[in-house]
Amino acid sequence: ETGVTQSPTHLIKTRGQQVTLRCSSQSGHNTVSWYQQALGQGPQFIFQYYREEENGRGNFPPRFSGLQFPNYSSELNVNALELDDSALYLCASSLEGWGGYTFGSGTRLTVV
Amino acid sequence: KNEVEQSPQNLTAQEGEFITINCSYSVGISALHWLQQHPGGGIVSLFMLSSGKKKHGRLIATINIQEKHSSLHITASHPRDSAVYICAVRSGGNGNKLVFGAGTILRVKS
Repeated sequence: ETGVTQSPTHLIKTRGQQVTLRCSSQSGHNTVSWYQQALGQGPQFIFQYYREEENGRGNFPPRFSGLQFPNYSSELNVNALELDDSALYLCASSLEGWGGYTFGSGTRLTVV
Repeated sequence: KNEVEQSPQNLTAQEGEFITINCSYSVGISALHWLQQHPGGGIVSLFMLSSGKKKHGRLIATINIQEKHSSLHITASHPRDSAVYICAVRSGGNGNKLVFGAGTILRVKS
């Protein structure tokens, strides 16, 4: 049984650029959610995908967008990067109706 | 006021001590999670609770639904328990998102 894998592990981008982060779900999981964790704070919900459709979104602007693929892997895209986007981005997969989550190790994004 | 509040924010203990971390929440939930985060970021799920009490090794988690309160206990603490412990609640609606507390930074000294 594989866990959740995120790539890349670290990334440095320049303000205004675009970034794509990737997440492979745990085998058998059909739901993926993304979280942003600023330094010293708890993670904040960005959005969730279930069966390739977004089915929940937190207080993040439209320049944060996502995709879920038929194999339930997922991407998080952020356009027009701002300095405040610097954070750890976490992906978690789950099976709808089960309630448990498996987290990835995160991607640390630094915007300079 | 945050929907999920944890206390204390920081905790330093001597090896062997009994540790309690508290979590209070203000929203309706379908489940509460206790998570452990080590330096570097990876999060490990410790418990998922919707009622009562669960035990795994030296870790015990309890929840009181009426009082909207949960506790995580660590018995016979060890330096390897040093990590950030995060309480998160799964709220119904809006895609059953997880709402996280800010975390408790635990350091166990030998």
